[in-house]
Amino acid sequence: QSALTQPPSASGSPGQSVTISCTGTSSDVGAYNYVSWYQQHPGKVPKLMISEVSKRPSGVPDRFSGSKSGNTASLTVSGLQADDEADYYCSSYAGSNVFVFGTGTKVTVL
Amino acid sequence: EVQLVEAGGNSVQPGGSLRLSCAASGFTLRSYWMHWVRQAPGKGLAWVSRINNDGSGTGYAESVKGRFTISRDNAQNTLHLQMNSLRAEDTAVYYCAREYSGGLYYWGQGTLVTVSS
Repeated sequence: QSALTQPPSASGSPGQSVTISCTGTSSDVGAYNYVSWYQQHPGKVPKLMISEVSKRPSGVPDRFSGSKSGNTASLTVSGLQADDEADYYCSSYAGSNVFVFGTGTKVTVL
Repeated sequence: EVQLVEAGGNSVQPGGSLRLSCAASGFTLRSYWMHWVRQAPGKGLAWVSRINNDGSGTGYAESVKGRFTISRDNAQNTLHLQMNSLRAEDTAVYYCAREYSGGLYYWGQGTLVTVSS
């Protein structure tokens, strides 16, 4: 049950795109299409942005998109806005009622 | 409106026990799988445990397996986390969350557990 690997930081200017990777193994990310992404602003509760690799819950802007290839999932934020500056975490089902989170990525809007 | 309200967080000495509760309202608890997730001060999210809708299936992070027990009382719309043999590294804000389509859509505000001598 090792944490999924994310880059510690990512950045972009307003209007640009940023992509965050989430690397797991063939036992978690590679095995199941239950990859989720969460946004967390400082001092706030995490918010679900993407579930099942690429599905956006109601209310999440279509600027947020998810994908997966092999053991690596990705979150892309297009048209960066100031409010997108936050920590982002991926998560994956790992079988047998076990989940795992990623190490987290701090996104900075320059 | 869906609400999840955690309670039971406290300061406890290493080796001690605590029982966290999560009161659910605005939906029928028995219809959903539920999770506990924790976040140590200044650190990232860490998944703790999951329970299926009728309590017959559970899963735990390796770091808490054998020490923590997740349970639910669907009649009382309440989720629990029994934490035994607590360690300093268990210090964190503990969130309960409702699973939706493989993701955690609704979260409580969290309850702080501090393990220190």
